Amino acid sequence: AQTVTQSQPEMSVQEAETVTLSCTYDTSESDYYLFWYKQPPSRQMILVIRQEAYKQQNATENRFSVNFQKAAKSFSLKISDSQLGDAAMYFCAYGNDYKLSFGAGTTVTVRA
Amino acid sequence: DTGVSQDPRHKITKRGQNVTFRCDPISEHNRLYWYRQTLGQGPEFLTYFQNEAQLEKSRLLSDRFSAERPKGSFSTLEIQRTEQGDSAMYLCASSRGQTSFNYGYTFGSGTRLTVV
Repeated sequence: AQTVTQSQPEMSVQEAETVTLSCTYDTSESDYYLFWYKQPPSRQMILVIRQEAYKQQNATENRFSVNFQKAAKSFSLKISDSQLGDAAMYFCAYGNDYKLSFGAGTTVTVRA
Repeated sequence: DTGVSQDPRHKITKRGQNVTFRCDPISEHNRLYWYRQTLGQGPEFLTYFQNEAQLEKSRLLSDRFSAERPKGSFSTLEIQRTEQGDSAMYLCASSRGQTSFNYGYTFGSGTRLTVV
């Protein structure tokens, strides 16, 4: 079974600053996907960014970027120019075929 | 595209009662998934349908749980003889195509169950 570990229960960032969330995972597969999801108090899981394991280039979506280290099984998320609307729980997830395995999440608070 | 809809949003029930939740996936999505999320944790996979066929059930899905997807459209998740440990948010997701993650894996807003 795949395990996903998020070692930071909470992170705080000043508005307009940068924050990096950590994620490690364990798998014996070579082909898989990695995701970061955002879950605000409204509860809906919103996809932030997706990385395909066979692609060496790190994914980027506007202010969100990842640092994917396949050999180290590490997948961190960087949020640049943090905004108040970024405050939420962030989950790292591993996907293989059809099933997602999630980490325990990191709560991000943004200070005005 | 109206997204994945779940009903009800909240359900409070007494221990021992049966409850049923409904999920309406995005119309062109042939795959449907159920997850359970307890407070402060990430979602955990429960079960998965491709069209009307239930192809995998997690060991988390005890005999008191049953899921159906008649005609490959909406899905229902029933919990019989509810226990306090069943209190959680139940999330539904859907996707399309042969490869789930290529064409969007969209979650609904969930049904929060409280067993008292």
